[in-house]
Amino acid sequence: LAKTTQPISMDSYEGQEVNITCSHNNIATNDYITWYQQFPSQGPRFIIQGYKTKVTNEVASLFIPADRKSSTLSLPRVSLSDTAVYYCLVGLGGGNQGGKLIFGQGTELSVKP
Amino acid sequence: GAVVSQHPSRVICKSGTSVKIECRSLDFQATTMFWYRQFPKQSLMLMATSNEGSKATYEQGVEKDKFLINHASLTLSTLTVTSAHPEDSSFYICSARDPRGGQFFGPGTRLTVL
Repeated sequence: LAKTTQPISMDSYEGQEVNITCSHNNIATNDYITWYQQFPSQGPRFIIQGYKTKVTNEVASLFIPADRKSSTLSLPRVSLSDTAVYYCLVGLGGGNQGGKLIFGQGTELSVKP
Repeated sequence: GAVVSQHPSRVICKSGTSVKIECRSLDFQATTMFWYRQFPKQSLMLMATSNEGSKATYEQGVEKDKFLINHASLTLSTLTVTSAHPEDSSFYICSARDPRGGQFFGPGTRLTVL
């Protein structure tokens, strides 16, 4: 199973751009990279998904280098409400994982005023 | 994104009783659903993969006779915690794979066993 490694925690201030990098050295050829956000006592919420290069939606951007061994979630101009745990996962592309998403430790982002 | 619901959102039960948690995909059909458990300040731990029309696949260390999973339709999976004990108190979260792409999570169920 592809294992992901993220910083345990990050601090930021309102209005700043936050970049969270995730390492996934053993990513399989048909694995996608997906990021989720989780608030306390809630289920994870889908943020963004990508396979390679760059993906952008209304809330975030995802940068994936050519070797796909890492990815960076970019949150533009964070606000206090972005304080949450962010998880990077690889999978969903089939392969020997059968579509299972295995969660790593996640990154606890704290946004301060 | 796609919507996944769970019921109940929280439940308190006495030790030794059984508790059933429902997971529904509201706007898509899901042949595969997943059940996770999350303890305070920890990450989600995958318990089992629920397959519509067939037996669930359990992760190593998860007792299949204690955590009964039924996936009788393309929009509903249930997790029954049998003979619950205080150590089973946790936050249970389901997810469902959308055939159109993506995997979406329910809001979670807080189980407290007294």
